[in-house]
Amino acid sequence: DIVMTQTPLSLSVTPGQPASISCKSSQSLLHSDGKTHLYWYLQKPGQPPQPLIYEVSNRFSGVPDRFSGSGSGTDFTLKISRVEAEDVGVYYCMQSIQLPLTFGGGTKVEIK
Amino acid sequence: EVQLVETGGGLIQPGGSLRLSCAASGFTVSSKYMSWVRQAPGKGLEWVSVIYTDDSTYYADSVKGRFTISRDNSQSTLYLQMNSLRVEDTAVYYCGRGDGGSSAPRNWGQGTLVTVSS
Repeated sequence: DIVMTQTPLSLSVTPGQPASISCKSSQSLLHSDGKTHLYWYLQKPGQPPQPLIYEVSNRFSGVPDRFSGSGSGTDFTLKISRVEAEDVGVYYCMQSIQLPLTFGGGTKVEIK
Repeated sequence: EVQLVETGGGLIQPGGSLRLSCAASGFTVSSKYMSWVRQAPGKGLEWVSVIYTDDSTYYADSVKGRFTISRDNSQSTLYLQMNSLRVEDTAVYYCGRGDGGSSAPRNWGQGTLVTVSS
């Protein structure tokens, strides 16, 4: 199984300041189809996960442009350019290059 | 609009069985990769199972041989039959709809809580 490791475990951010979350996979997520199968989700308190980013850097429809994803191979980063109060929750990275799908342990983001 | 609504959760004794349902609207369940993902209380997300458009099915090792994923296209419903339930199966179970030929869930239901306890 591919192990997904996220850091940090938690983040306390002042509104308007940037935030960054790292995700590392135990194997390359670059598929022979040329796509890198790395996703980011946000789970707000009491809600199901909502998708933010697909294939490393593509925002799903409706996701604000303050969210951006980058990386390649086994190292990935989610950045929030200016954190807002509504961004609180737990962020997860996930790989879908092979089964079983595996998630990172999550990064809890709170507002200072 | 795509909607997923899970039902069927509840309190069940160890060794018991339960069937979860996920009613889908806004699309045809047979046309997308459909998954179950669970979340134990206070824990992270764990993939459970997927059914592909060609009817092939796959399971996490932790549930293989005990859980069965299926779908009823006429009812536009996804199922998860859970047998020989264990305390460690206690979790909120979400169904998810893949998109663009990917099994990664693009849409999620609100989840249904399964509690396995004596």
